[in-house]
Amino acid sequence: GAVVSQHPSWVICKSGTSVKIECRSLDFQATTMFWYRQFPKQSLMLMATSNEGSKATYEQGVEKDKFLINHASLTLSTLTVTSAHPEDSSFYICSARAIFTSGRANEQFFGPGTRLTVL
Amino acid sequence: DAKTTQPPSMDCAEGRAANLPCNHSTISGNEYVYWYRQIHSQGPQYIIHGLKNNETNEMASLIITEDRKSSTLILPHATLRDTAVYYCIVRVQNKAAGNKLTFGGGTRVLVKP
Repeated sequence: GAVVSQHPSWVICKSGTSVKIECRSLDFQATTMFWYRQFPKQSLMLMATSNEGSKATYEQGVEKDKFLINHASLTLSTLTVTSAHPEDSSFYICSARAIFTSGRANEQFFGPGTRLTVL
Repeated sequence: DAKTTQPPSMDCAEGRAANLPCNHSTISGNEYVYWYRQIHSQGPQYIIHGLKNNETNEMASLIITEDRKSSTLILPHATLRDTAVYYCIVRVQNKAAGNKLTFGGGTRVLVKP
């Protein structure tokens, strides 16, 4: 249980285009989802926290108009990288906080990541 | 959340126990110690967490010192598939804190045959 999927797993796009990445909790509901970015040989950096039905909270230094987050349901959050540039090339990872009533309630489960390459 | 310090890398032999240290000297009383690992090009995977008692599950054991200023993750019989970056994270476990996980540099563990 507690599986998180991401789609696509990788994407290559041209500079200036927009790319949408989906994050889904497959077998549980998640009121909160998190988006991270990871550059090669570096650690994960939290970009934003999204709560279902409300606006995302962005970390300092992350442009909210460039990285649009929509959390439309308890199982789906999307990250859209608008007007992508080569410096946006990175590994994007989402996680979902489960709302189980027992066990590992409130824990985060991570997706497999999406590798974005902007040419 | 309190900051953690881990060695940047370590090697261990296949079949032997791997002991991964983590210092968290500024941990506060309501902060838990979490361990995640990230295999190359994958999302992080939860391993174990604890508050002050030692914990064990099917993946690993977590030993927390009595003063809670450091901990050790033990992989009892390392396999080649355990090669990964291991992250030690401390954080408050409540909804008000947002459950954010702050990843440090981690320890890059290489299991050798």
